[in-house]
Amino acid sequence: EVQMVESGGDLVEPGGSLRLSCAVSGFSFNDAWMSWVRQAPGKGLEWVGRIESTTGGGITDYAAPVKGRFTISRDGSKTTLYLQMNSLKTEDTAVYFCTKWNRANAMDVWGQGTTVTVSS
Amino acid sequence: QSALTQPPSASGSPGQSVTISCTGTSSDVGGYNYVSWYQHHPGKAPNLMIYEVTKRPSGVPDRFSGSKSGNTASLTVSGLQAEDEADYYCMSYAGSNNLGVFGGGTKLTVL
Repeated sequence: EVQMVESGGDLVEPGGSLRLSCAVSGFSFNDAWMSWVRQAPGKGLEWVGRIESTTGGGITDYAAPVKGRFTISRDGSKTTLYLQMNSLKTEDTAVYFCTKWNRANAMDVWGQGTTVTVSS
Repeated sequence: QSALTQPPSASGSPGQSVTISCTGTSSDVGGYNYVSWYQHHPGKAPNLMIYEVTKRPSGVPDRFSGSKSGNTASLTVSGLQAEDEADYYCMSYAGSNNLGVFGGGTKLTVL
């Protein structure tokens, strides 16, 4: 069974840092492209960033609002995806979903999400 | 402001058909055949319903179909059922500098 379980969401002050994790099972993690998507309260979905497969070099790309502040990484030995978030802003408050990104540039597997609140 | 424009709401009675539009530009929807649609029941994981404009993943009912004309993509839900009530989002690939742009979402109500 394919599963992706996010964790690490928390309440953090503006300017702070947080690392989200996404534990993956049920498919070949090292061959998969992975991404993060977020949904702010009362808003729509927003693509955050993507990491290519480990076998493909693990190249990363980010949406403009998070570029330079967020970093996506992966650990194949733990089949876990990470999102390191630095210099957090109140507008980063959202539910963060990890997703599997397929070769058709669509996201075919989603986790349930983890909530990040940035507030003083 | 979302990059792609969707109507905020749509509705239909059980058994009817409803179409949701997703309008972008020649830099996203019109420039690539990489439009996907997601169904999201709040509080749950979103679900891929359509990819590459018209293709359905296995397990998605054939009541769901996608199309595109110029810079506008559309999702049609035929034979509406109560469980189709959800938020629907389109997404388009927009080139190597903007891998995924979403629409603002459409809340589909089954009357």
